[in-house]
Amino acid sequence: AQTVTQSQPEMSVQEAETVTLSCTYDTSESDYYLFWYKQPPSRQMILVIRQEAYKQQNATENRFSVNFQKAAKSFSLKISDSQLGDAAMYFCAYRSADGLTFGKGTHLIIQP
Amino acid sequence: DGGITQSPKYLFRKEGQNVTLSCEQNLNHDAMYWYRQDPGQGLRLIYYSQIVNDFQKGDIAEGYSVSREKKESFPLTVTSAQKNPTAFYLCASSIYATEKNIQYFGAGTRLSVL
Repeated sequence: AQTVTQSQPEMSVQEAETVTLSCTYDTSESDYYLFWYKQPPSRQMILVIRQEAYKQQNATENRFSVNFQKAAKSFSLKISDSQLGDAAMYFCAYRSADGLTFGKGTHLIIQP
Repeated sequence: DGGITQSPKYLFRKEGQNVTLSCEQNLNHDAMYWYRQDPGQGLRLIYYSQIVNDFQKGDIAEGYSVSREKKESFPLTVTSAQKNPTAFYLCASSIYATEKNIQYFGAGTRLSVL
């Protein structure tokens, strides 16, 4: 079974600064997909970014990018130019055919 | 608009009562999923369905049941056998049940015990 670990229960960043959220996972598969989801106070889960394990290039979506280290089984999320609307819980997730395995989340606080 | 609709938004259960949470999608997705979220925790998979009339247990299926009679609908019943049902329940769907397909989520149902 896959496991996903987020070691930072809470992170705080000044508005307009950059922050990195950590995620590690464990799997015996060679091809898989990893995701970051955002859960704002509304509790709606919103997809932030997706990474395909067989792709060397790190995924990027506007201010959001990942640092994917396959050998180290690490998948961190970098948020540049942090905005107040980025404040939320962030979940790292591993995708298998059965569904998603989630980490416990990181609560991101944006300081104005 | 296309999307996933969960109802009700809030639900209360009495001791010994079964309750059903609704999940409807108009995205024409084959696969649907139910997750449970407890405070300070990530989501855990309860049940999933890859196609109509087929479903499989997830990591925490005990005390829950589902049906998939229509492609658009995947209701979850929380039975009296579920001793700790208070949680936030999220339904999701994806085009197919393969690793590369993104899961999209509904807005959730908060279930509490009276």
